[in-house]
Amino acid sequence: GENVEQHPSTLSVQEGDSAVIKCTYSDSASNYFPWYKQELGKGPQLIIDIRSNVGEKKDQRIAVTLNKTAKHFSLHITETQPEDSAVYFCAASSMDSSYKLIFGSGTRLLVRP
Amino acid sequence: EAQVTQNPRYLITVTGKKLTVTCSQNMNHEYMSWYRQDPGLGLRQIYYSMNVEVTDKGDVPEGYKVSRKEKRNFPLILESPSPNQTSLYFCASRPLGRGNQPQHFGDGTRLSIL
Repeated sequence: GENVEQHPSTLSVQEGDSAVIKCTYSDSASNYFPWYKQELGKGPQLIIDIRSNVGEKKDQRIAVTLNKTAKHFSLHITETQPEDSAVYFCAASSMDSSYKLIFGSGTRLLVRP
Repeated sequence: EAQVTQNPRYLITVTGKKLTVTCSQNMNHEYMSWYRQDPGLGLRQIYYSMNVEVTDKGDVPEGYKVSRKEKRNFPLILESPSPNQTSLYFCASRPLGRGNQPQHFGDGTRLSIL
């Protein structure tokens, strides 16, 4: 079955710097790759997603890139702010798997003021 | 406001005492799912439902039951809870059709089984 690996598990950056979180997936049938942000005491919130027919997508300070050949995708956060501190999860899904989301193990991002 | 509501948010109970965690969504979504979140393991799917009266096992279904009698509700049932079911649980929903769509999550239920 699908397996998603996420790195790093923790990431500490200075406010204003960029942060990059990387994920790899195993199932070549995966075609949907969402990223979720989880703040303390809250459920995961979708921040950006990308489908397999697109290589890159941007939304203000957040961008996601997808390399289908290498089966990896990355989240890029520029000009980080303290409120970006949270746990971030990548996930992969395919129609073949009844849309089940397979999650990475999460990255705890700390943005130091 | 569109939301997924879980109750209770926190529960401490003892081994073997049946419990139910409720989940309700107000977005008329066909698809609903339960996940458990454990440190270092991300979120793993327990059960999911594609529509009323249609449920299926996820990756970690042992020790859990679900039902989908109404479109908006998807309760998670632990008939005989054990300590290894101590975890943080999330319910999620999404619409079907038009390929993959984002899942909307509740705020979680933290269960402690002593």
